[in-house]
Amino acid sequence: DVQMTQSPSSLSASVGDRVTITCRASPDISSYVNWYQQKRGTAPKLLIYAASNLQSGVPSRFSGSGSGKDFTLTISSLQPEDVATYYCQQSYSTPWTFGQGTKVEVK
Amino acid sequence: QITLKESGPTVVKPTQTLTLTCTFSGFSLSTRGVGVGWIRQPPGKALEWLALIYWNDDKRYSPSLRSRLTISKDTSKNQVVLTLTNMDPGDTATYFCAHNTYDFVVVPAAIYYMDVWGKGATVTVSS
Repeated sequence: DVQMTQSPSSLSASVGDRVTITCRASPDISSYVNWYQQKRGTAPKLLIYAASNLQSGVPSRFSGSGSGKDFTLTISSLQPEDVATYYCQQSYSTPWTFGQGTKVEVK
Repeated sequence: QITLKESGPTVVKPTQTLTLTCTFSGFSLSTRGVGVGWIRQPPGKALEWLALIYWNDDKRYSPSLRSRLTISKDTSKNQVVLTLTNMDPGDTATYFCAHNTYDFVVVPAAIYYMDVWGKGATVTVSS
């Protein structure tokens, strides 16, 4: 199985801060990474697919980058409504696997 | 507009079989490339991918649960059914179904992603 190691497990930042979440894959998975946002008590929502493609309707402050083994989700200016847990997920090969999640809080 | 909704029992006893139904609208599971998958999330824990069925009836499973899982589809009813046998308290979770679609932005093969999710069904395993 492809392993997805996500970090940090949690972070707290101020409104307007730039926030970065990383995901490391093993082995190399090209750009077969997607990112999801899950707010408390709700289903996950697709933010980014294929490492860097913004899903329709997602604010442009969200962006993704990376290829191979290292991937990054960036929130350019954190907003109060971005409080959530974020997950990376690989669709390079089944079984698809998720990272452990990063809980983002606002100070 | 694509929607999915999970249904099934909220409580099952240990050793029983769980049957969950995902009823969807806004797409057809006979359309080439489309899939419906199941993902679960134990309370306070991370997402865990369980199974996926494609338009052509190709089925994929989590290896760790493969012996206990079955996924099937009824295209005429717009439903996908997941069964999980020999339920254990460790299977207590919220179970989500999701529409799987693809794009060719990553050449040479398509990348799949889960673009629309149901709200989830909470299942508790308890005697």
